[in-house]
Amino acid sequence: GAVVSQHPSWVICKSGTSVKIECRSLDFQATTMFWYRQFPKQSLMLMATSNEGSKATYEQGVEKDKFLINHASLTLSTLTVTSAHPEDSSFYICSAEAGVETQYFGPGTRLLVL
Amino acid sequence: QQPVQSPQAVILREGEDAVINCSSSKALYSVHWYRQKHGEAPVFLMILLKGGEQKGHEKISASFNEKKQQSSLYLTASQLSYSGTYFCGTGENTDKLIFGTGTRLQVFP
Repeated sequence: GAVVSQHPSWVICKSGTSVKIECRSLDFQATTMFWYRQFPKQSLMLMATSNEGSKATYEQGVEKDKFLINHASLTLSTLTVTSAHPEDSSFYICSAEAGVETQYFGPGTRLLVL
Repeated sequence: QQPVQSPQAVILREGEDAVINCSSSKALYSVHWYRQKHGEAPVFLMILLKGGEQKGHEKISASFNEKKQQSSLYLTASQLSYSGTYFCGTGENTDKLIFGTGTRLQVFP
């Protein structure tokens, strides 16, 4: 149980384009999902908390107009990187809250912006 | 502020033990431990809640000292599969976790 999927696994795009990443909880419902970004050999940095049916809560320093989050249902949250630039290249990981304070992570999405 | 983990890296031979520490500057409600293999997402190991509890999971156990705002992860009789980067995630009675600086563990035969 508690499986989280992400799509796509890998994405390569040109600078200036927008990229959408999906995060799904497959066998449970998640009112709350989280989006993280991880640069090579660094820790996970929380970008935002996504709540079903309401606006996402962004961490300090994360541009909400650049990283659009939509939590349309209890099993799906999406992250759209708008007008992506090379510095946005990173490993993006989502997690879904299952039970008391337990987060299960998706497999991650590698974004490379050329 | 990000919790600080020590050591930054550990190299072990199979069967040896290791301790990884996680220290926060803030009062904690919970501590979560994860292991991440290269190129993969973190895998949940265990959660410790306020109350100073100690938990075990096969040969991996952990303790939580809320007064000192610290947690330690104990790996005994390490196996090759234990290799990876270990992260603590600290909770402050909100939904979100703040992840520590990470500890790279490499186990050799």
